[in-house]
Amino acid sequence: NAGVTQTPKFRVLKTGQSMTLLCAQDMNHEYMYWYRQDPGMGLRLIHYSVGEGTTAKGEVPDGYNVSRLKKQNFLLGLESAAPSQTSVYFCASSYIGTSGGFGTDTQYFGPGTRLTVL
Amino acid sequence: GQNIDQPTEMTATEGAIVQINCTYQTSGFNGLFWYQQHAGEAPTFLSYNVLDGLEEKGRFSSFLSRSKGYSYLLLKELQMKDSASYLCAVMDSNYQLIWGAGTKLIIKP
Repeated sequence: NAGVTQTPKFRVLKTGQSMTLLCAQDMNHEYMYWYRQDPGMGLRLIHYSVGEGTTAKGEVPDGYNVSRLKKQNFLLGLESAAPSQTSVYFCASSYIGTSGGFGTDTQYFGPGTRLTVL
Repeated sequence: GQNIDQPTEMTATEGAIVQINCTYQTSGFNGLFWYQQHAGEAPTFLSYNVLDGLEEKGRFSSFLSRSKGYSYLLLKELQMKDSASYLCAVMDSNYQLIWGAGTKLIIKP
């Protein structure tokens, strides 16, 4: 099992450019999440999905869009990148997202994408 | 508002014991998680507490007091590879994780 994978690992964009980050998981998890991690701050939830074809906004959704066309994939899009979106982006997945029993809501993370917007 | 507080940085000696504290104020409580994150890597799951008390897992233990909004992670027999950031996260009433900023643990020989 590869677990949770993310592509690309690194990317440099110019202000106004667009890009898509891809997350894939092979654990048959229902829930998937996109976070950003900035120095001195906790992980912040951007968007999440509770199943194929569904998405929902998290704490910091502005400037991002997502899609979950297949259960195993969760895409994060930046339509017009801004320097404030310079961050490390982590994708995570969990079997379910509500405490249905020990371990079922544990989130497993991908290796991250380091994005710089100039 | 929701808040998770943990020390920014701690230093300990190889072979010693260290306790990392986490206090929280959240809208609801559905469990508390500890994750380890080495520099430049993804967070990895360490422990989960939903009931009061101590959960032991090898060299690592995690304690929870829901009435005090308090948890700690106890690391024994510290090894150099334990140098990492330790993240505390609480699952709130909406089943979303609220994350602390993390405690960077530095282990010295």
